[in-house]
Amino acid sequence: NAGVTQTPKFRILKIGQSMTLQCAQDMNHNYMYWYRQDPGMGLKLIYYSVGAGITDKGEVPNGYNVSRSTTEDFPLRLELAAPSQTSVYFCASSYSTRGLTSGVRREAQYFGPGTRLTVL
Amino acid sequence: KNQVEQSPQSLIILEGKNCTLQCNYTVSPFSNLRWYKQDTGRGPVSLTIMTFSENTKSNGRYTATLDADTKQSSLHITASQLSDSASYICVVSGIYGGSQGNLIFGKGTKLSVKP
Repeated sequence: NAGVTQTPKFRILKIGQSMTLQCAQDMNHNYMYWYRQDPGMGLKLIYYSVGAGITDKGEVPNGYNVSRSTTEDFPLRLELAAPSQTSVYFCASSYSTRGLTSGVRREAQYFGPGTRLTVL
Repeated sequence: KNQVEQSPQSLIILEGKNCTLQCNYTVSPFSNLRWYKQDTGRGPVSLTIMTFSENTKSNGRYTATLDADTKQSSLHITASQLSDSASYICVVSGIYGGSQGNLIFGKGTKLSVKP
């Protein structure tokens, strides 16, 4: 298994440009996530998906869009790049089941290698 | 407010020594606590996951402990190796908070192991 793959690894954008960060997983995980990690800070959730066709906002969704047309792929779209979006972006996936009494049970997340994005 | 605080922020130890990293959290109600290792330039990798009923869990030279009453966890690394140099991230999951389960990430402890 390749696990979670992300492309590209590095990208430099000009202000106002758009791009799509690709993420794919081959573990048949139902949950997928996009995080950003700023220097010296913890990971912050941008968007997540609980299955194909279902997406929802995380903590910092502004300026981003996602889609989940298949179980395997979860691309992240930046429409009008801004310097504040300079960050390292991580995609992750996990397999989650709903416990009888404890709500959603979540197994370990598997992270991709990250995409380092700079907006100038 | 749900928070995860890690200490120390950074740590330098000599190869072969032991060390302990701390994690305090205020997430409630609590579901599980995870420790991840993040090598420079890479995504985090899961080390351990503990639910409220588990006090300790080991993964090789890594041993995590959890005190759900005091809302504290520690990660103990035994006989450190140069490859242990990384950031160690504590992540706490709440029961509620929608389908994402309210995963709260700490800022991490940056560990440097010197020869």
